[in-house]
Amino acid sequence: EAGVAQSPRYKIIEKRQSVAFWCNPISGHATLYWYQQILGQGPKLLIQFQNNGVVDDSQLPKDRFSAERLKGVDSTLKIQPAKLEDSAVYLCASSHLRLEETQYFGPGTRLLVL
Amino acid sequence: QQQVKQSPQSLIVQKGGIPIINCAYENTAFDYFPWYQQFPGKGPALLIAIRPDVSEKKEGRFTISFNKSAKQFSLHIMDSQPGDSATYFCAASTRRDEKLTFGTGTRLTIIP
Repeated sequence: EAGVAQSPRYKIIEKRQSVAFWCNPISGHATLYWYQQILGQGPKLLIQFQNNGVVDDSQLPKDRFSAERLKGVDSTLKIQPAKLEDSAVYLCASSHLRLEETQYFGPGTRLLVL
Repeated sequence: QQQVKQSPQSLIVQKGGIPIINCAYENTAFDYFPWYQQFPGKGPALLIAIRPDVSEKKEGRFTISFNKSAKQFSLHIMDSQPGDSATYFCAASTRRDEKLTFGTGTRLTIIP
């Protein structure tokens, strides 16, 4: 079974530019999560989708971050405009239905904002 | 209220030793406590998880000890190997929203 796919793996941009990350979850997984992991910290949930609906986006900085999951499969996370403090690894995870089914994480996209 | 405090920040243990990583929480509504292992350049992977109705869970060389009254839980790695060198995160969530709150991580190094 293929794991969670993310691209790109690395991205370097200048502040105020925009950037987009893509995630393809494990086939059949209804729930998709985007996390931000700043160096030296644990992952922090940004947004959670159930199929193509948003379950929780309370920690998403909506003035600059946006995410969508059209058709309930793959998802994109966008930052516009980027700030220096957005430098982090952006992790995508998916799970089947309930938490007990385990959240499977992708390898992440490492973003550096200069 | 939502924080999960993890210690130590880093740990060096000789091969065969038993590293212990501790976590503490405040939110008594938390009822699911997983541990994740993360290697450099990879996403976290679930290692083992426990619910508060048991005080201990063992899977292979990994054991979670859970103390509900103290609101603490810990990970023990028996017969540690250099391949166990990684960053370990504890986490917690509630049945209501299933949002994982992660600890800050412990970088574990097992020296031969």
